[in-house]
Amino acid sequence: AAGVIQSPRHLIKEKRETATLKCYPIPRHDTVYWYQQGPGQDPQFLISFYEKMQSDKGSIPDRFSAQQFSDYHSELNMSSLELGDSALYFCASSSGLAGSTYNEQFFGPGTRLTVL
Amino acid sequence: DQQVKQNSPSLSVQEGRISILNCDYTNSMFDYFLWYKKYPAEGPTFLISISSIKDKNEDGRFTVFLNKSAKHLSLHIVPSQPGDSAVYFCAAFTSGTYKYIFGTGTRLKVLA
Repeated sequence: AAGVIQSPRHLIKEKRETATLKCYPIPRHDTVYWYQQGPGQDPQFLISFYEKMQSDKGSIPDRFSAQQFSDYHSELNMSSLELGDSALYFCASSSGLAGSTYNEQFFGPGTRLTVL
Repeated sequence: DQQVKQNSPSLSVQEGRISILNCDYTNSMFDYFLWYKKYPAEGPTFLISISSIKDKNEDGRFTVFLNKSAKHLSLHIVPSQPGDSAVYFCAAFTSGTYKYIFGTGTRLKVLA
């Protein structure tokens, strides 16, 4: 079965550079979530999109932005990278209105970002 | 403010015995609770869930218990197997929101 695809799997950047992480949800899933997991920490919710509109916002820095495109894939853009941005970035997808019914989130494999 | 807490960062259990992972929460609005299992450098994978209207859900070797009055849930794995060694996260969800709240994780090590 198709799963959530994230690219790239690994990314190394220098401080003050920019990075773009991509997420391709499971087919027919219309909701995408982004999480950041630092070393030894639990996943922190960043932002989510439903039907190409931002649906919720968590602890996402102002230096980061994200969007969901017409094909439902999503991109997380990170600018002015800092050392503390080094983390695993997970994307998850689900289907349907999360507000009306329980929807399990399916996670991608993650993108490991290292900022030097 | 940590709404979902897993107070044991690690747990070691002998193969064949029961593993019990605990999770406490503070928000009484949570509707659903889930357990995810995570191997290093991989995304979390769903294990089992429970609705707030139930107190027990069972799936094979995995059973989740929910005590709403205590705001506590636990995951029981019986019998534990070495392949169960991973980090286990509990997560909570409220209808009407678009995010899960994760606990801090418990690293389970099953000893052969």
